[in-house]
Amino acid sequence: GESVGLHLPTLSVQEGDNSIINCAYSNSASDYFIWYKQESGKGPQFIIDIRSNMDKRQGQRVTVLLNKTVKHLSLQIAATQPGDSAVYFCAEIFTGGGNKLTFGTGTQLKVEL
Amino acid sequence: GAGVSQSPSNKVTEKGKDVELRCDPISGHTALYWYRQSLGQGLEFLIYFQGNSAPDKSGLPSDRFSAERTGGSVSTLTIQRTQQEDSAVYLCASSTRQGQSSYEQYFGPGTRLTVT
Repeated sequence: GESVGLHLPTLSVQEGDNSIINCAYSNSASDYFIWYKQESGKGPQFIIDIRSNMDKRQGQRVTVLLNKTVKHLSLQIAATQPGDSAVYFCAEIFTGGGNKLTFGTGTQLKVEL
Repeated sequence: GAGVSQSPSNKVTEKGKDVELRCDPISGHTALYWYRQSLGQGLEFLIYFQGNSAPDKSGLPSDRFSAERTGGSVSTLTIQRTQQEDSAVYLCASSTRQGQSSYEQYFGPGTRLTVT
């Protein structure tokens, strides 16, 4: 699986810098959010999740911030590495409605050496 | 253990033919999802199976699309009378409801369908 020729927003960063990828979600009733990473030719891979009763969650080199007031998510990647180059998608779930994921458009992250 | 597998990895078919796409979920996962990733549309939900419950078919784009899940495991997505706009990557995902500590869905590599 890959992002098939979409005109995706692109974020270019230097290796070692921090990256911030933003996402606006659509459903104010959504109560669970996931960030996925998709490399060329592969399916989406889980990075980090956050529930709507939280506004921040940290993982290894990644932090997700949630602002429910403006329906905005961000993914921060610390010390970005070449292996972080991929398309990043946010996804929202309304857990009362069947757990299907609604994906954002995606952002292409390019890490420059 | 093995992840989600899908077959075939690539499928080229002529317009008007029927195709079947297969998904083998992670063993023990009770929920199975199909998504489509196409040019200009991003990733979109198609259908969702949860245990023995009736599937959520709300994302299927037309009645040419159908899916079944046999024995609570393997799933087949069938597209009848394929059209060029059906060309996309079809992704399958599975998840477990046990404990529900996470709603993470594990994705397969996808099947790239090209309708000529």
